[in-house]
Amino acid sequence: GAGVSQSPSNKVTEKGKDVELRCDPISGHTALYWYRQSLGQGLEFLIYFQGNSAPDKSGLPSDRFSAERTGGSVSTLTIQRTQQEDSAVYLCASSSMGGHQETQYFGPGTRLLVL
Amino acid sequence: GDSVTQMEGPVTLSEEAFLTINCTYTATGYPSLFWYVQYPGEGLQLLLKATKADDKGSNKGFEATYRKETTSFHLEKGSVQVSDSAVYFCALSHWNTGNQFYFGTGTSLTVIP
Repeated sequence: GAGVSQSPSNKVTEKGKDVELRCDPISGHTALYWYRQSLGQGLEFLIYFQGNSAPDKSGLPSDRFSAERTGGSVSTLTIQRTQQEDSAVYLCASSSMGGHQETQYFGPGTRLLVL
Repeated sequence: GDSVTQMEGPVTLSEEAFLTINCTYTATGYPSLFWYVQYPGEGLQLLLKATKADDKGSNKGFEATYRKETTSFHLEKGSVQVSDSAVYFCALSHWNTGNQFYFGTGTSLTVIP
C-alpha cells in the first residue's frame, strides 16, 4: 500500500515568509510525528499526534511553529516568519497506534531552505 | 531525561569487514530500542528493534542485542557490503515519556569495494 507522503519535496523561501508543509500518513495509522533533521544533526522531535488526544507539542522550538491534523489523517506543519536557522529537512512519520514498541514509517521529507 | 548516544562517524570500511556501531542509552525502566537506516536519497526505515532486555533484533545480516546491564544496543554485521553504505540511527521510546522517540545523531557508513 501507499507509504507516508510529504509535500512539497523541496521548498525555497525568503526570510520572514510563512511556509506550510504537508504530510499524508499511512491510511489507518492513528499516530503521526513531525521531526526536524538539520545538517549533521540527528532527528529533533517536534510534535506528536495520537488519535483524538491533545497533541504533544513539547518539541516545537518556538511559537512560530505550529501543526494541525485534520480528521485524524493529513497533517500540516506551519512555520511563520521563517528564519535562516529553520533551514532543514522536515520529516513526518506515522505508526499504527503510537505505542512505544511500534515501528515508525517515515516519509521522504521536505527540504526547506530559507534565504 | 531519556537520550541516546551513538558513536560518531563517519565510518569507512572495506567490503567484507566487520562492523560495530556503538549505541548507549539513558532511560528509566525498560525502553524499546531501534536501529533505523537511511540509504542515500531515501527516507528512514526500520532496520531492527528489540523491546525487552536480552532480546536480539536482526535483519539483513545486522544484529543488535538489548543489554540492560550496560544500557547498550550496539549494531553489528559480520561482513559489510557496498550496499550497506548509509546513515544509521539508534533510537529509543518509552511509554513513560509519552511514547516519544529519541534519536541519536546518526553514524554515516561508507563501504568501499
